[in-house]
Amino acid sequence: DAKTTQPNSMESNEEEPVHLPCNHSTISGTDYIHWYRQLPSQGPEYVIHGLTSNVNNRMASLAIAEDRKSSTLILHRATLRDAAVYYCILRDTGAGSYQLTFGKGTKLSVIP
Amino acid sequence: EPEVTQTPSHQVTQMGQEVILRCVPISNHLYFYWYRQILGQKVEFLVSFYNNEISEKSEIFDDQFSVERPDGSNFTLKIRSTKLEDSAMYFCASSETEATYNQPQHFGDGTRLSIL
Repeated sequence: DAKTTQPNSMESNEEEPVHLPCNHSTISGTDYIHWYRQLPSQGPEYVIHGLTSNVNNRMASLAIAEDRKSSTLILHRATLRDAAVYYCILRDTGAGSYQLTFGKGTKLSVIP
Repeated sequence: EPEVTQTPSHQVTQMGQEVILRCVPISNHLYFYWYRQILGQKVEFLVSFYNNEISEKSEIFDDQFSVERPDGSNFTLKIRSTKLEDSAMYFCASSETEATYNQPQHFGDGTRLSIL
């Protein structure tokens, strides 16, 4: 999978929006952008994914840059339960591999 | 919402002993995975399993490891002769009918394996 770069940590105030950035300058045309998160003492949890267009679901929104070299996960209103490590992962449709390759992710702290 | 369940939540084993970690994937899922996370480190892929055989494995998954789906619901990871460095959190995951790039993987909450 192509490499992604994320900040080590971010802070947000409760009930405010959070924008978690991810750089993936070497992304290929067949890479999907996936986001997972890992709450303390839990397994990773799927959040959202996209290819080119912005995506919304009940958990978050994903904004993808026009050149696809970066993306942003948006939590519209952070709650204490959103405190977690967030992972941005590229999945290559042509690689024939189904494994997820996790980096260090961004540790999000939510301040009450 | 259906979920992946793992047992036990914590397993303590003497070095050199065999250990079996158990997982019940989501019932209509056909692709199964094991990952591990050593304390303070990244989540690492171990193995994927489909149609009763291993479809992919990492370098970590050596001859000491094996996986099995003994019945229609359980998926197990066996470590034959445990080493101190096998101490980690082990996560089971499953995905739906096709393990494509679009299918999310659903993870359990893990088994913490402590080797003494």
